[in-house]
Amino acid sequence: AQKVTQAQTEISVVEKEDVTLDCVYETRDTTYYLFWYKQPPSGELVFLIRRNSFDEQNEISGRYSWNFQKSTSSFNFTITASQVVDSAVYFCALSEGQGGSEKLVFGKGTKLTVNP
Amino acid sequence: DGGITQSPKYLFRKEGQNVTLSCEQNLNHDAMYWYRQDPGQGLRLIYYSQIVNDFQKGDIAEGYSVSREKKESFPLTVTSAQKNPTAFYLCASRLAGGLNEQFFGPGTRLTVL
Repeated sequence: AQKVTQAQTEISVVEKEDVTLDCVYETRDTTYYLFWYKQPPSGELVFLIRRNSFDEQNEISGRYSWNFQKSTSSFNFTITASQVVDSAVYFCALSEGQGGSEKLVFGKGTKLTVNP
Repeated sequence: DGGITQSPKYLFRKEGQNVTLSCEQNLNHDAMYWYRQDPGQGLRLIYYSQIVNDFQKGDIAEGYSVSREKKESFPLTVTSAQKNPTAFYLCASRLAGGLNEQFFGPGTRLTVL
């Protein structure tokens, strides 16, 4: 069965610190997709990134970077030089199968607070 | 503006009453989803629909019902059989095929008194 574990329930940092959010997943499929979503206080989930199981290249987008390691079943998310606007709950999610995101299994989320 | 609309943002109901949550999208997406979020929990899938007039149960479908009569609409009814209906409900949609992510609506916070 699929499972996503985000062991960090809450993280608090001071602005400009780097912070890494951990995500560990379980799946028996060889084809799967991993996602990160951001949920600001308004409640709506915002898509950040999708990664397929065949692409282990790390990705960088501005201050955001993602490290995908199949050997440890992890898909960690790093925010560099954090800002107050980064405060949100971040969810890691997993989808199995060829089609991608028919069904997503979410972790419980990590609440990030960035203090000025 | 293209997007997903959920209304209302906040909804209050008395225990024992059925209530229907609205979800509309004008993105021409094929698939639509309903999730429930409880404090400190991730999102859990209630129902999803990949085409009109067809839908499947998710992980926690008991006490809920849905319909998909139109491509753009996927209302969720929370029935009196749902034991703990107070939660934040999120609707999502997705273009079928390929590697398309789910887009989410703003959510409806349901409180049953």
